[in-house]
Amino acid sequence: SAVISQKPSRDICQRGTSLTIQCQVDSQVTMMFWYRQQPGQSLTLIATANQGSEATYESGFVIDKFPISRPNLTFSTLTVSNMSPEDSSIYLCSATSGGSNEKLFFGSGTQLSVL
Amino acid sequence: SQQGEEDPQALSIQEGENATMNCSYKTSINNLQWYRQNSGRGLVHLILIRSNEREKHSGRLRVTLDTSKKSSSLLITASRAADTASYFCATGNQAGTALIFGKGTTLSVSS
Repeated sequence: SAVISQKPSRDICQRGTSLTIQCQVDSQVTMMFWYRQQPGQSLTLIATANQGSEATYESGFVIDKFPISRPNLTFSTLTVSNMSPEDSSIYLCSATSGGSNEKLFFGSGTQLSVL
Repeated sequence: SQQGEEDPQALSIQEGENATMNCSYKTSINNLQWYRQNSGRGLVHLILIRSNEREKHSGRLRVTLDTSKKSSSLLITASRAADTASYFCATGNQAGTALIFGKGTTLSVSS
């Protein structure tokens, strides 16, 4: 199993600013993912964070808006850039030690509110 | 796009009763997974059932999979107040590169 520490747990930000969310795993993992969850809704995959290379983004998400880093096998960051109120959401980091369709471990999430 | 769709969207039961939630999906799968999310927290993996399995048990959880109907069910027996949470099914996306989650069932268990 893997324990994921995600921070900050919540933040309130001003429109036009950027926030970087950090995700630290207590063991090396093969894959890391970033999801977004609107209140009361399901999870939407933002991107797969690839170690040592550019992230793979899902339709509707772009690198300029959501730059992602993954410098090693245990750490990743997601930045929400030039925020607007529409970016208010919960952002979740997840990881797996297996393949892309195997069991995922999740961080506790970052609740972001943009004013 | 959503791969899995759970029903019901919401379920309210009394402690001790059984809770059943269903998940339907659209494309072929390697496995189907169920996760639980307590309010304000991340998701916790509950159980994974592979496409060649029909039923799987874990404690008070029983999962069935019917690949001919592209559906799965999660049964929680003898529910407890602590089972109150949202439950999501998840399957691989079409590219097989990540998990896609259904809309979830919100379960409320009252004592």
